[in-house]
Amino acid sequence: NAGVMQNPRHLVRRRGQEARLRCSPMKGHSHVYWYRQLPEEGLKFMVYLQKENIIDESGMPKERFSAEFPKEGPSILRIQQVVRGDSAAYFCASSLRTSGSYYNEQFFGPGTRLTVL
Amino acid sequence: SQQGEEDPQALSIQEGENATMNCSYKTSINNLQWYRQNSGRGLVHLILIRSNEREKHSGRLRVTLDTSKKSSSLLITASRAADTASYFCATPGGTGTASKLTFGTGTRLQVTL
Repeated sequence: NAGVMQNPRHLVRRRGQEARLRCSPMKGHSHVYWYRQLPEEGLKFMVYLQKENIIDESGMPKERFSAEFPKEGPSILRIQQVVRGDSAAYFCASSLRTSGSYYNEQFFGPGTRLTVL
Repeated sequence: SQQGEEDPQALSIQEGENATMNCSYKTSINNLQWYRQNSGRGLVHLILIRSNEREKHSGRLRVTLDTSKKSSSLLITASRAADTASYFCATPGGTGTASKLTFGTGTRLQVTL
C-alpha cells in the first residue's frame, strides 16, 4: 500500500516561472491537504481539498497560488510567477473519509522542495 | 503564544537518556497529535491522543494531555541516535472528522552517542 506520493521531490525555478507540484493521496483517501514549511519553521496550512472541491483555502496566498484535486489524477498545487520568497518545502497530506466524530490522522508525503533562483 | 508551541526549541541528550518535549495550545481541541521529521524529509505520524485521554503509550513514546492547562508532553525513553529529528505537535483546526492541522515550531532533538 503506497503512501502519499509527491513529485517532483526537488524543483528549481527562476523568478517569474510557474511551479506545478503534484500529490497522489494514499489509496482510498479522498481528503488532501497542502502545507508549506519555511526553513527552521513548522508547517503552515495552505489548502484542504476533497475530490473536485476546495473546502478550506484560508492559508493560501491571495494571488499566484491555486490548487485543484480533479476527479481523476493527482492534486496539483500551482504557483504562478514564482518569487524567491516562495522557496520552501511543500508537503501534501491525505486522510480517509469517514462518518462520525472519529478523527482521521493525516499521512504526509515526502514533500517537494522548491528553490526559486 | 501561537497555537501548538513546543519547548524547548532544541534539546541535546546522550543515547540512553530520556527526552521530554512540551507543547502548549490555546483553543479547545478534540485531539492532539505528535509528528517526527527527520532532516530534509517528510513528517511521520507518531501518536494521536484524544481530549478524553490523559496518557497514551506507543513503544518508547509516552504522551500526556492536560486539557485544563492546554498542554501536552512527549517523552521518549531510552533514546537512540536514530531518534535525532524535529518533533512537532499539531492540533486540528476544527472539530469535524477531517480538518487542517496547526503545527508548532517544533523541538529539534539531537541524540549523541
